[in-house]
Amino acid sequence: QKEVEQDPGPLSVPEGAIVSLNCTYSNSAFQYFMWYRQYSRKGPELLMYTYSSGNKEDGRFTAQVDKSSKYISLFIRDSQPSDSATYLCAMYQGAQKLVFGQGTRLTINP
Amino acid sequence: NAGVMQNPRHLVRRRGQEARLRCSPMKGHSHVYWYRQLPEEGLKFMVYLQKENIIDESGMPKERFSAEFPKEGPSILRIQQVVRGDSAAYFCASSPQGVAGYNEQFFGPGTRLTVL
Repeated sequence: QKEVEQDPGPLSVPEGAIVSLNCTYSNSAFQYFMWYRQYSRKGPELLMYTYSSGNKEDGRFTAQVDKSSKYISLFIRDSQPSDSATYLCAMYQGAQKLVFGQGTRLTINP
Repeated sequence: NAGVMQNPRHLVRRRGQEARLRCSPMKGHSHVYWYRQLPEEGLKFMVYLQKENIIDESGMPKERFSAEFPKEGPSILRIQQVVRGDSAAYFCASSPQGVAGYNEQFFGPGTRLTVL
């Protein structure tokens, strides 16, 4: 069993839709939870990070962590074609070693 | 302020050759991490280094792979006697001096290694 599970998709939605991306994890020691966006042939860039259960909002993006269920989510409101990318969840294990999900490939159709 | 730099961006090697990947961290960053991304997979941690020290190499294959981060110059990931299974994108990330808790890792554009 992988430590972090993420549906690879692909996920295709119309412009303006609300997108929901999710990851589950098995290691209760994870403390920091990140979402990265990766465009094709580029390096990952950090979108948001959260610590502890709850919600965190940044513009059109909302990150949600439920530690009791070991479940994290990223919501994108008013999705735009420029949001088309692969979204990777990641978590810290021990001394700053990131553990990534497989990534979900998202396409926003104009 | 330049970001994390990696070179070369693309590298082609024949089986049995050596591959050497370079990473220059962001200015002021003293921590470097290497990750490997196989096709259609997420990034997998390989090694975490500080200047002249390997802190965590739990993700490094036991043979053929080595990494260093010398006092001067870039961090180097070296793969000896490459095999086709080494074909992947290799990403370097850097972070500033560690403090308790969270330190954001900034990623470079990656080196895409193809083994023929």
